[in-house]
Amino acid sequence: KNEVEQSPQNLTAQEGEFITINCSYSVGISALHWLQQHPGGGIVSLFMLSSGKKKHGRLIATINIQEKHSSLHITASHPRDSAVYICAVRLRGNTGTASKLTFGTGTRLQVTL
Amino acid sequence: KAGVTQTPRYLIKTRGQQVTLSCSPISGHRSVSWYQQTPGQGLQFLFEYFSETQRNKGNFPGRFSGRQFSNSRSEMNVSTLELGDSALYLCASSLATSGHWGTDTQYFGPGTRLTVL
Repeated sequence: KNEVEQSPQNLTAQEGEFITINCSYSVGISALHWLQQHPGGGIVSLFMLSSGKKKHGRLIATINIQEKHSSLHITASHPRDSAVYICAVRLRGNTGTASKLTFGTGTRLQVTL
Repeated sequence: KAGVTQTPRYLIKTRGQQVTLSCSPISGHRSVSWYQQTPGQGLQFLFEYFSETQRNKGNFPGRFSGRQFSNSRSEMNVSTLELGDSALYLCASSLATSGHWGTDTQYFGPGTRLTVL
């Protein structure tokens, strides 16, 4: 079983729809990242969360540490939101030491007109 | 500030050859990480460097190696290339401020697409 599970794997939405992408993890973490990857490969970091909720424009990310679950929401979706969204967790390590980023398999989002 | 740069952007090699990829982090960033992305395995962690020291290593064979220089620039090397090494290799940099290790934003470069024939 992967340490990071994302759902759904693929998602098609019409412009304007509210979108939710889920990420569940099975280990203790120090941080969770949401990344966006457009065709061509470039990756952009959207959010880094260790607790609570963050909002940037039409994007909202939440995390529930007790339930080991995070969600990425896109309000009023637009075709330019079409991309692969990847959840990644930084496993909890000892103070002053690093632990590797572990990635989910990604959610491919297609927003149509 | 300039973003993370990677060179070369595209590379074609044959089996058995070796390759060196380069990554220049954002000015002031002290941590550089490397990742491999393939259609089958997705994104996988290769190495993480901070102040010229390897802080973490992923589950890759010894053919994969890396280093970081005093100016924070980093290189990774793959020796004896195999067909399965064909992938997009991404590097990312972060500030890695003391006391905030592992909880700062990573900034990704555009990647080097390696094809092994």
